Amino acid sequence: EAGVTQFPSHSVIEKGQTVTLRCDPISGHDNLYWYRRVMGKEIKFLLHFVKESKQDESGMPNNRFLAERTGGTYSTLKVQPAELEDSGVYFCASSPGRKARSSEGELFFGEGSRLTVL
Amino acid sequence: AQRVTQPEKLLSVFKGAPVELKCNYSYSGSPELFWYVQYSRQRLQLLLRHISRESIKGFTADLNKGETSFHLKKPFAQEEDSAMYYCALMDAGGTSYGKLTFGQGTILTVHP
Repeated sequence: EAGVTQFPSHSVIEKGQTVTLRCDPISGHDNLYWYRRVMGKEIKFLLHFVKESKQDESGMPNNRFLAERTGGTYSTLKVQPAELEDSGVYFCASSPGRKARSSEGELFFGEGSRLTVL
Repeated sequence: AQRVTQPEKLLSVFKGAPVELKCNYSYSGSPELFWYVQYSRQRLQLLLRHISRESIKGFTADLNKGETSFHLKKPFAQEEDSAMYYCALMDAGGTSYGKLTFGQGTILTVHP
């Protein structure tokens, strides 16, 4: 079974440019999460989709960040325009619906997309 | 607001020695606590969760609500345990199931 996949693995852009990160969750997982680890800091929650709906976007830092999950499958996270402080590793994770007790509470993470803003 | 603290950024032990990675949390609700691990060149993965009360790869962790701690322990460390360890808290009663609050992480190095 394929795990959570993220693309690109590393992106280097200049301040002011736009970057779009993509996440393909494990097939059948309703829940999709975006997290971010900025250099030297802890991994922080950005937002949570349940299928195509945003369940919680309280962690999105500002309106330069836009996440979508059209059709409830893959998700994209767009940063426009990118700033220096956006540099970090962006993790995507997925999990089954809440009633899937066999993996209750477990998130399955992708390898992350490293973003470097120059 | 919920918070997870891992006081040690780096922890070094020798193979065969006991190891304890500390985790303290602050949260007023009903937390679920987890330990996630990231081995070199691998993705972040679940190591264990407090509700399972299980031992994984020789590691155990007991939730101490009085001390608000969830320390990770192993009696005899192995070189393959070297990795970054994250303690994480989830609001079990929250609306955003799966929303984790992570600690800063502890890099464990087990020397031969």
